[in-house]
Amino acid sequence: EAGVAQSPRYKIIEKRQSVAFWCNPISGHATLYWYQQILGQGPKLLIQFQNNGVVDDSQLPKDRFSAERLKGVDSTLKIQPAKLEDSAVYLCASSPGQGSYNEQFFGPGTRLTVL
Amino acid sequence: AQSVTQLGSHVSVSEGALVLLRCNYSSSVPPYLFWYVQYPNQGLQLLLKYTTGATLVKGINGFEAEFKKSETSFHLTKPSAHMSDAAEYFCAVKTYGGSQGNLIFGKGTKLSVKP
Repeated sequence: EAGVAQSPRYKIIEKRQSVAFWCNPISGHATLYWYQQILGQGPKLLIQFQNNGVVDDSQLPKDRFSAERLKGVDSTLKIQPAKLEDSAVYLCASSPGQGSYNEQFFGPGTRLTVL
Repeated sequence: AQSVTQLGSHVSVSEGALVLLRCNYSSSVPPYLFWYVQYPNQGLQLLLKYTTGATLVKGINGFEAEFKKSETSFHLTKPSAHMSDAAEYFCAVKTYGGSQGNLIFGKGTKLSVKP
């Protein structure tokens, strides 16, 4: 079974530029998550989708971050404009469902450096 | 609200020695607890999880953890460290309520294994 795919793996941009990340979850997984992992910290949830609907985006900085999951499969996370403090690894995860017993499977992440 | 505290950002052991990584949680309801491992430039991989039932949980790669409600702890152990265990380890608790399925992570403990 293929795992969670993410691209690009690395991205370097200058502040105020825009950037987009892509995630393809495990086939059949209804729930998709985007996490931000700043160096030296644990991952922090940015947004959770159930199929193509948003379940929780309470920690997403909506003035600059946006995410979509059209057709309930793959997803994109966009930052516009980027700030220095956005430098982090962006992890995508998926799970079969929303319930607490469902394990989350993580992709390899996209490492963003904002100069 | 749930939270997780990992004691020690960096732990160093010799090969063959006992591994003990500490995790304390805060939760007003019975928690679901997880340990994840992250190798360099990779996503997170589930080591083990506690939901209900037996308090001693066995995971992959010889790791185990014991849920102690009286101590609000979920420490990770392995009797004999191997070089391949060098990685970063994250303890996490799952949230309840409107955002079921979301993980709240600790800051992580980096494990080094000396030959």
